[in-house]
Amino acid sequence: GENVEQHPSTLSVQEGDSAVIKCTYSDSASNYFPWYKQELGKRPQLIIDIRSNVGEKKDQRIAVTLNKTAKHFSLHITETQPEDSAVYFCAATAIQGAQKLVFGQGTRLTINP
Amino acid sequence: DGGITQSPKYLFRKEGQNVTLSCEQNLNHDAMYWYRQDPGQGLRLIYYSQIVNDFQKGDIAEGYSVSREKKESFPLTVTSAQKNPTAFYLCASTEILGNTIYFGEGSWLTVV
Repeated sequence: GENVEQHPSTLSVQEGDSAVIKCTYSDSASNYFPWYKQELGKRPQLIIDIRSNVGEKKDQRIAVTLNKTAKHFSLHITETQPEDSAVYFCAATAIQGAQKLVFGQGTRLTINP
Repeated sequence: DGGITQSPKYLFRKEGQNVTLSCEQNLNHDAMYWYRQDPGQGLRLIYYSQIVNDFQKGDIAEGYSVSREKKESFPLTVTSAQKNPTAFYLCASTEILGNTIYFGEGSWLTVV
């Protein structure tokens, strides 16, 4: 089955700097890669996703890149703000039948003012 | 996200007791899921269902049971066989062959 590894587990950056979180996956059949943001005690919220037919996707300060050959994908947050502080999860799945999202272990991002 | 309702928000279970977590969605989604999240950890799949009256085990199904008698409902029972049930439980749903998976607000289960 699919296995997703996420690094780093914790990340601290100065406000205004960029943050990068990286994930690797094992199943070459995976073709959908979402990123979720989770605040303490709340549900995960989708912030951006990418399919395997594109290499990069951007939404304002957030971007995701995908390298299918190397089986890794990354989340980039630019011009970080205090409200970006949260736990971020990457996930991977093959869109066929029921999607079984497999999640990484999460990255706790802290933005220092 | 507002279309998935989980209840109760907080639940306390005594040793040896079965408890049921409710999940209802009004998004007309075909697939529904239950995930477990332990403090500081990622989400692990317990059970999932693609259609009514059908469901499959996820990665950590032991000690749990589900039913899917209606499209909009996917309750999870935590049985006494689950020895360490204290966790945050998240229900989710998606359209078959869709992309975005939506989560409910979650239920906190604590063993007392």
